[in-house]
Amino acid sequence: DVKVTQSSRYLVKRTGEKVFLECVQDMDHENMFWYRQDPGLGLRLIYFSYDVKMKEKGDIPEGYSVSREKKERFSLILESASTNQTSMYLCASSSPTGGAKNIQYFGAGTRLSVL
Amino acid sequence: AQTVTQSQPEMSVQEAETVTLSCTYDTSESDYYLFWYKQPPSRQMILVIRQEAYKQQNATENRFSVNFQKAAKSFSLKISDSQLGDAAMYFCAYGGNSGYALNFGKGTSLLVTP
Repeated sequence: DVKVTQSSRYLVKRTGEKVFLECVQDMDHENMFWYRQDPGLGLRLIYFSYDVKMKEKGDIPEGYSVSREKKERFSLILESASTNQTSMYLCASSSPTGGAKNIQYFGAGTRLSVL
Repeated sequence: AQTVTQSQPEMSVQEAETVTLSCTYDTSESDYYLFWYKQPPSRQMILVIRQEAYKQQNATENRFSVNFQKAAKSFSLKISDSQLGDAAMYFCAYGGNSGYALNFGKGTSLLVTP
């Protein structure tokens, strides 16, 4: 089975802190994604990456950056956390080819609270 | 940009009954993928079913089936013989043929009553 692991289920940070959310997948997927999930808004794409060191902005990249130094790992960085970044963050991975093309596999999510 | 609309924020169904969740989408592409994902209260998002637009046959997975109407850009999910474990948030999603990001609807919360 595909496994996408997010390093933390819950995080509490202070305003202005630098925050790292880590995500690791074990299926050698080329694509990795970071979403933000808020009630009534569904999932909104923050950033995605289709290869090592490659990244593309999603719908709401402001206030976030990402890093992909290895194929299996995709990090989301909040340079200076703000209260409006309190949310659920979901990581996903997928392959752009093959029988499972486009199927995204998700981690369990990280609930981030910024105080 | 492709948009996905789920017009039912909440739905309720009795155990053993059938329920249909609605989804419409907007696209100018002819080749694409559609998905239903389930997110139980434990939060792990899992795939329920996938439909490839070039396939006319509706996808099925056990008690889950879709009604894919390409011309109408409609993609509904039917859950038969509903079980308590089906209670979850259900998201409809669209994926282009490029194989990259998905566009998600805002979700439908399904309540299953005994």
